[in-house]
Amino acid sequence: DTEVTQTPKHLVMGMTNKKSLKCEQHMGHRAMYWYKQKAKKPPELMFVYSYEKLSINESVPSRFSPECPNSSLLNLHLHALQPEDSALYLCASSQVRLAGDGEQYFGPGTRLTVT
Amino acid sequence: GESVGLHLPTLSVQEGDNSIINCAYSNSASDYFIWYKQESGKGPQFIIDIRSNMDKRQGQRVTVLLNKTVKHLSLQIAATQPGDSAVYFCAESKAAGNKLTFGGGTRVLVKP
Repeated sequence: DTEVTQTPKHLVMGMTNKKSLKCEQHMGHRAMYWYKQKAKKPPELMFVYSYEKLSINESVPSRFSPECPNSSLLNLHLHALQPEDSALYLCASSQVRLAGDGEQYFGPGTRLTVT
Repeated sequence: GESVGLHLPTLSVQEGDNSIINCAYSNSASDYFIWYKQESGKGPQFIIDIRSNMDKRQGQRVTVLLNKTVKHLSLQIAATQPGDSAVYFCAESKAAGNKLTFGGGTRVLVKP
């Protein structure tokens, strides 16, 4: 199984709502990632979890709150978002390698619209 | 919001021809490089990778070339097919931390 799954596929939320994005992988990967991708732009790293611990936070606003409940699951909790947060949110996973190489497997993303 | 007027560089190629996509990277400390393909409505898909101790690596119909002197990476696709139409991103990584930094992307359009 080389698949990363993400739910939901699409999400529309108001600026006062609280919602969560979910990501799951069963490849035994111990590194998991959240990226944000705006239209016609490359993915931008938000968070990295390594062995279920947050290892990188790319200065992401606190209205985005990641959580890694176990080695297969990654959540992104959303609260009080702004319209400019509308984007495709991608989850990825990989082996943890000290040398830094290693393919990241991406999910299909959640298309988020904030109204 | 989104940048008005922003567009991806586009490479139009005839079906069956070879494609070359270029990428300049800025961090001389990067030692691992990946090419990803992203089709509309999907997440990025791994194509091929290369470490900095190599200057060329070949896969099925694809070749990646790395020139560390000028910090340049290229992806060559042989006998381009309609299914190769997508946006292609290069990405770079330093020795530790599993952090990938993506380049701007190139759209490839294959004409029948």
